[in-house]
Amino acid sequence: KQEVTQIPAALSVPEGENLVLNCSFTDSAIYNLQWFRQDPGKGLTSLLLIQSSQREQTSGRLNASLDKSSGRSTLYIAASQPGDSATYLCAAVKAAGNKLTFGGGTRVLVKP
Amino acid sequence: SAVISQKPSRDICQRGTSLTIQCQVDSQVTMMFWYRQQPGQSLTLIATANQGSEATYESGFVIDKFPISRPNLTFSTLTVSNMSPEDSSIYLCSVEEPGELFFGEGSRLTVL
Repeated sequence: KQEVTQIPAALSVPEGENLVLNCSFTDSAIYNLQWFRQDPGKGLTSLLLIQSSQREQTSGRLNASLDKSSGRSTLYIAASQPGDSATYLCAAVKAAGNKLTFGGGTRVLVKP
Repeated sequence: SAVISQKPSRDICQRGTSLTIQCQVDSQVTMMFWYRQQPGQSLTLIATANQGSEATYESGFVIDKFPISRPNLTFSTLTVSNMSPEDSSIYLCSVEEPGELFFGEGSRLTVL
């Protein structure tokens, strides 16, 4: 059974610092891994999707890497801004059409 | 990416009543998913809803408590029946398109 873990559960950084968010999963046989952002009381916004054959994906200040052999994905957010304050969740899926297994999320606070 | 609308966005309900949440997608999709996010927790899949067939429920969730309808390829409803305070959560509708999951804004339910 896939288990997804995100450590730390919470993170506070000063504005301008780079953010590094970790996601680990126990079963390396994944189809893809997806990173989401969630603002308080809201739904999830998809940030990046990494297919199992890919090593990384980039979108603007965001970069996500995937290392299946070690069961890890990392989300990097460059030059953090107060607007980046949110909870970030990663989720792994075993095969197309299968359910996602979510991590517990990392709550990020970027202080001005 | 699919645009997903959920109604209501939030509601306060009395114990013992039922509430139906609607999910509308701007394109035809095969699979729709309903998730629950309890306060301070990550997301848990309730069921998968395919058009023209019965919803498939995850362990711990039953049709009598969470009946789901999927009358066409763009719409689904989730009913939370005979509510108790433990049902206070954010309920989220999501679709897969393809291999990537997109979410609605969620329906925040408080049961008194």
